[in-house]
Amino acid sequence: DTEVTQTPKHLVMGMTNKKSLKCEQHMGHRAMYWYKQKAKKPPELMFVYSYEKLSINESVPSRFSPECPNSSLLNLHLHALQPEDSALYLCASSLRTSGSGNEQFFGPGTRLTVL
Amino acid sequence: GENVEQHPSTLSVQEGDSAVIKCTYSDSASNYFPWYKQELGKRPQLIIDIRSNVGEKKDQRIAVTLNKTAKHFSLHITETQPEDSAVYFCAAHGSSNTGKLIFGQGTTLQVKP
Repeated sequence: DTEVTQTPKHLVMGMTNKKSLKCEQHMGHRAMYWYKQKAKKPPELMFVYSYEKLSINESVPSRFSPECPNSSLLNLHLHALQPEDSALYLCASSLRTSGSGNEQFFGPGTRLTVL
Repeated sequence: GENVEQHPSTLSVQEGDSAVIKCTYSDSASNYFPWYKQELGKRPQLIIDIRSNVGEKKDQRIAVTLNKTAKHFSLHITETQPEDSAVYFCAAHGSSNTGKLIFGQGTTLQVKP
C-alpha cells in the first residue's frame, strides 16, 4: 500500500455535533500531519505527530483534538465547530520529519461543511 | 517569521510553451524545497523536490533550480500540455527538524490547447 487514505470523503455537521476524521497509511511512515485548506489557498499546518507523539500544535483551537493511536493511524476529533471551520482537511505522512525521507505525501482529504 | 513568496499567482500559456514559477524564501537555514501540483478537487501531489546541496534537478519535462545565495527556487515545465493545468505550490522546509513546510500562495497554471 503506497497511499495515504482518509475517511470520510465528505462530512456535513452541525455546530453541536461531535465527529471524527480518520487517516491511515501503511508505508511505515513515522511522521503524520493534519492540514486545513481553504479554497484557492495553500495547505495550512495544524498538527504534527512524530513517532506517535504530538510535536507541533500550530495554536489550533481546542475544538480540534488530534489523536495518534498507533504509527499507521491518525484521527482528528471535532467538537463544537464553527461555520468558518468548513474546509478541506488533509492528512499527510512522511518517513521522518527531517533529512532524507521527509517528503510529505498527502491523502485525498475530507471535505467538511459546518452548518 | 518564515515566509515563502510565489509568483506569478496566475499563468496562462499555449500548449507546447514553457512555464516558469518562482519562489523566494526567507529562512536561510531552509534545506528542502518541494513542489506540489493540485488539480481541482484532488490532493496535493508531490511532483519534484530539491535539497540545498543541489543546484538543479530534472524529471522529464519538469525541472527545479535552486539559488541558495539569493534564496530563490523555480519550477520549469517544458512542452506544456493541457493536463499540466492545475495549481502549483512551492514550499520550504523550515530550519527546525519538525517537518513544518512553509507554503507559497500558489500559482494557477492554465495551458490552452
